[in-house]
Amino acid sequence: ETGVTQTPRHLVMGMTNKKSLKCEQHLGHNAMYWYKQSAKKPLELMFVYSLEERVENNSVPSRFSPECPNSSHLFLHLHTLQPEDSALYLCASSQDQSHGGVYYEQYFGPGTRLTVT
Amino acid sequence: AQKVTQAQTEISVVEKEDVTLDCVYETRDTTYYLFWYKQPPSGELVFLIRRNSFDEQNEISGRYSWNFQKSTSSFNFTITASQVVDSAVYFCALSEATALGIGQNFVFGPGTRLSVLP
Repeated sequence: ETGVTQTPRHLVMGMTNKKSLKCEQHLGHNAMYWYKQSAKKPLELMFVYSLEERVENNSVPSRFSPECPNSSHLFLHLHTLQPEDSALYLCASSQDQSHGGVYYEQYFGPGTRLTVT
Repeated sequence: AQKVTQAQTEISVVEKEDVTLDCVYETRDTTYYLFWYKQPPSGELVFLIRRNSFDEQNEISGRYSWNFQKSTSSFNFTITASQVVDSAVYFCALSEATALGIGQNFVFGPGTRLSVLP
């Protein structure tokens, strides 16, 4: 596998279900990100992990719970979602040298299309 | 707060025409980075270019060129001799430090949908 992979590619879940999205990067990066892309809003950055530590949580509801067990893997645990959470969820990774004031491009996975019924 | 504006929601051109996609940004930081991404119908975001705030040289890569003007806070993207395969949504993005000073925070513009007609 190369680049950034995401599973599943499509997910349909009821509001009472619990599911998890998985992301894996094969680029040797040390930072990973979750984004939400819905039809009516621009790409929204949800969570930022750098060196496996969560460094940003952009006012995301607690029904979304991220987990980063190591620098190559990122999960998004979902529970009691609402229909308005239906969207494309994108994972990305990058090299992080922000302590030196250098910011690198992010590489994105293909996304998980989530539908909440 | 930082912000990225892409005023053109949709653009249609005929193949071989040149097209410019506009991007205007707002930030209070003196050090920041700007990016362009392409999202074709398949959905995957593809990185095109990265530019830091201290480098105002224009860049050309094949049919693509970028014009960065710090004085007007703009980072415009031009496709020369457009092709049908250029049809996609193009996003401009701005990156700066997170509130903790660790990691980077990306803000994306709303995107411009480009349709290149044969």
